Amino acid sequence: NAGVTQTPKFQVLKTGQSMTLQCAQDMNHNSMYWYRQDPGMGLRLIYYSASEGTTDKGEVPNGYNVSRLNKREFSLRLESAAPSQTSVYFCASDRDQRSEQFFGPGTRLTVL
Amino acid sequence: AQKVTQAQTEISVVEKEDVTLDCVYETRDTTYYLFWYKQPPSGELVFLIRRNSFDEQNEISGRYSWNFQKSTSSFNFTITASQVVDSAVYFCALSDADSNYQLIWGAGTKLIIKP
Repeated sequence: NAGVTQTPKFQVLKTGQSMTLQCAQDMNHNSMYWYRQDPGMGLRLIYYSASEGTTDKGEVPNGYNVSRLNKREFSLRLESAAPSQTSVYFCASDRDQRSEQFFGPGTRLTVL
Repeated sequence: AQKVTQAQTEISVVEKEDVTLDCVYETRDTTYYLFWYKQPPSGELVFLIRRNSFDEQNEISGRYSWNFQKSTSSFNFTITASQVVDSAVYFCALSDADSNYQLIWGAGTKLIIKP
């Protein structure tokens, strides 16, 4: 089992460019999450999907969109990147929202 | 309002010392879940433990132990005989009905183990 995988690992964008971060899990988990972690800080929830077919906003959703493509995959899109979106992005999944979350390796995004 | 407090921003100890990381939480719910995660310098987030509010038994896993005390709303983490590989940022987190069972994260404690 690969667990939670994320692509790409690193990305540099110019202001205004768009990109999609991909996440997949092979643990048959129902819920999936996108977080961002800024230097020296904890995690902040961007969006989550409690189950296939549903998505909800988290603490910091502005500037992002998500798609729960199927039970395995949950993508995060930046339509028009801004320097404030420079961060490390983590995808996570869990069996249900009361269980422990398992995290992907992260994507380090820099917006110039 | 902050619901998980990790008051220790950074702790530095010498290898083989015991160290305790504090976590204080706030919730109005009777059913809730507490978690600890480790983030080593490599950056990944590693799940350590999950505890539900009805289980106040302390947990021991090798050199790691957790003390859950509902009376003081604390879920502290102790590393016995610390090792350099324990150096990491440790996060405590809470999920409850009020947060729709989304994780509420503490700010983290950076633990430095000196050889």
